[in-house]
Amino acid sequence: DAKTTQPTSMDCAEGRAANLPCNHSTISGNEYVYWYRQIHSQGPQYIIHGLKNNETNEMASLIITEDRKSSTLILPHATLRDTAVYYCIVRGYSSGSARQLTFGSGTQLTVLP
Amino acid sequence: EAGVAQSPRYKIIEKRQSVAFWCNPISGHATLYWYQQILGQGPKLLIQFQNNGVVDDSQLPKDRFSAERLKGVDSTLKIQPAKLEDSAVYLCASSPGGVPTGELFFGEGSRLTVL
Repeated sequence: DAKTTQPTSMDCAEGRAANLPCNHSTISGNEYVYWYRQIHSQGPQYIIHGLKNNETNEMASLIITEDRKSSTLILPHATLRDTAVYYCIVRGYSSGSARQLTFGSGTQLTVLP
Repeated sequence: EAGVAQSPRYKIIEKRQSVAFWCNPISGHATLYWYQQILGQGPKLLIQFQNNGVVDDSQLPKDRFSAERLKGVDSTLKIQPAKLEDSAVYLCASSPGGVPTGELFFGEGSRLTVL
């Protein structure tokens, strides 16, 4: 799986958009970009994933650059409950061991009141 | 829908003792994973099951860790004997079979402290 690079930490004001960047310059054509988050003392939670088109769901939006070497997770109106570690992961879309997720250290997002 | 259940939530043991963690995945989920998360790090995969077969256990320290999923449903992870460096949160996750969506469902984890 391609390696990802994320900032160690970020702050965001409550009610503002939180934009979390991720670099994945070695991503291959069949690898998807996934985002998970982990709130303190809980297990990781799936947020969103995409291949090359931008994606949006009830939690967030995912913007993937045209060359697919980087992406940004957008939380449109951050709340205090969005304070968590956010993991960007790239992964192939097939069966067996390729279903694994390899977590890095992620970005600690702190939403400030 | 019930989530992934894990027990115990917390366990404190002394080094060289043994410990077992239990996981009940979401009903119908064929794939089950055990992850180890050391404080300040991201989760690291220990073992992946597909039904009752092992798909990948390359990162499982087999001299002291073992895991089983005998009936393809719930699973047990055992550590014997425990070392200080085994202090971590042990996370269980599951995902449905068939077309992989990439969405894993995690339990709340079992926090192990080895003294």
